[in-house]
Amino acid sequence: KQEVTQIPAALSVPEGENLVLNCSFTDSAIYNLQWFRQDPGKGLTSLLLIQSSQREQTSGRLNASLDKSSGRSTLYIAASQPGDSATYLCAVGGYQKVTFGTGTKLQVIP
Amino acid sequence: SAVISQKPSRDICQRGTSLTIQCQVDSQVTMMFWYRQQPGQSLTLIATANQGSEATYESGFVIDKFPISRPNLTFSTLTVSNMSPEDSSIYLCSVDGTSGSNEQYFGPGTRLTVT
Repeated sequence: KQEVTQIPAALSVPEGENLVLNCSFTDSAIYNLQWFRQDPGKGLTSLLLIQSSQREQTSGRLNASLDKSSGRSTLYIAASQPGDSATYLCAVGGYQKVTFGTGTKLQVIP
Repeated sequence: SAVISQKPSRDICQRGTSLTIQCQVDSQVTMMFWYRQQPGQSLTLIATANQGSEATYESGFVIDKFPISRPNLTFSTLTVSNMSPEDSSIYLCSVDGTSGSNEQYFGPGTRLTVT
C-alpha cells in the first residue's frame, strides 16, 4: 500500500524567500507525481506533473523534482509571494489509483 | 486540460437527510473520481465511476451510503445518504487528462456541513 508523507506540515516564511517542500512515498513503482495547490475551502489546482521517466518539471517560479529510487519529490518555490500562501499537496499516481500526501500549509508573510 | 464544475458549491444539511452532488466536465472522459476531504485531512478516494458500469468503491465506502450515477461521459452524481455530522467534508470530483498524460484535474469541490 502506497503511503505518501509531506514534510513540513506547516511552514511560515517572509516574502521573497526561496523554499522547498518535500514529499516522500513508500512504493517506487509509480506512474507519475503531481503537485497541487489548495486554497482554504476550495478545490485543487494542478501545478506540475512529473511522469515517472522524468526528473523534473518547471513552471515559472516553481520547480519540481522526482527521485523514484529514493521515493522523494521536492517542490521548489523561488522568490515567494503572499499569494503563494496555500496548502500544497503531492499526489502519487499508481496503477488505477492516486494517493495523496498529507499536505504542507504554507504562509508567506508580507 | 479539463474544466470541471460542481453543484452545489456548499450546503448545510440536517442529519438523516441526503444530498446529491453533481459533477460536469467540459469534455468526454472515461473515468471520473469522487474524493472526500475531511476537515484538516488530505484527500481520500471514495469511488471510481465508469460510464455504463457500476462504480468501484474503495475500502471503507459502500454503495448504500454513497450511491453514484454516471449516465454519460461528461456527468456524474454522488449522493451522501442518511448524513451524520461525520460526513461534514469537502467532496471533490476529478478526472484524468484527455491527452494521455494521466494528469488529474479537480472540480472546485462541494463543502458539506451536517448539523
